Amino acid sequence: RKEVEQDPGPFNVPEGATVAFNCTYSNSASQSFFWYRQDCRKEPKLLMSVYSSGNEDGRFTAQLNRASQYISLLIRDSKLSDSATYLCVVNIGSGAGSYQLTFGKGTKLSVIP
Amino acid sequence: DAGVTQSPTHLIKTRGQQVTLRCSPISGHKSVSWYQQVLGQGPQFIFQYYEKEERGRGNFPDRFSARQFPNYSSELNVNALLLGDSALYLCASSLGPASSYEQYFGPGTRLTVT
Repeated sequence: RKEVEQDPGPFNVPEGATVAFNCTYSNSASQSFFWYRQDCRKEPKLLMSVYSSGNEDGRFTAQLNRASQYISLLIRDSKLSDSATYLCVVNIGSGAGSYQLTFGKGTKLSVIP
Repeated sequence: DAGVTQSPTHLIKTRGQQVTLRCSPISGHKSVSWYQQVLGQGPQFIFQYYEKEERGRGNFPDRFSARQFPNYSSELNVNALLLGDSALYLCASSLGPASSYEQYFGPGTRLTVT
């Protein structure tokens, strides 16, 4: 089983749609969780951290279920500028001593006019 | 403020050669991590350095090595290059090694091995 698995995609959605991405991770000792965004041929950029209580940033909502080892990202009112690859990321480092991000393969989102 | 910088931007090498990639972190950041991203995959962790010490190592062969300098810049070395080493090599910096610090990625070095 891969350490971090994501929906295969691609997701092609019209502007204004709501889209959800799912991700599962295999290491129950994982410390922290993130969603990164990567535009074509660019570096990944942090979209948001994911907290156990769930968190929201504008049109973006992230959820974490530690018992099921499952992470989700919801994008409401999709914009053309949301078109990118979304990477589910898990930190399996040993707390304060190290930081080892494990990335999923990513899910490509295309928002269509 | 300048972000993470990497050099060179692109590089073409032949199988069996050696390559050195360079990374300068954001000013004030003391931790640098290296990742390899093959086309169509997510980045894969190679190394993390903090205060010139190796803090983490991914599942890569000994042909891959790195170091961090007193000014917190870093180099990634790959020996005996293979075709499969062709990838985008990303450097990320953060204030410290802990997961509470956000990692900022540089634009990467695109390595092609022929």
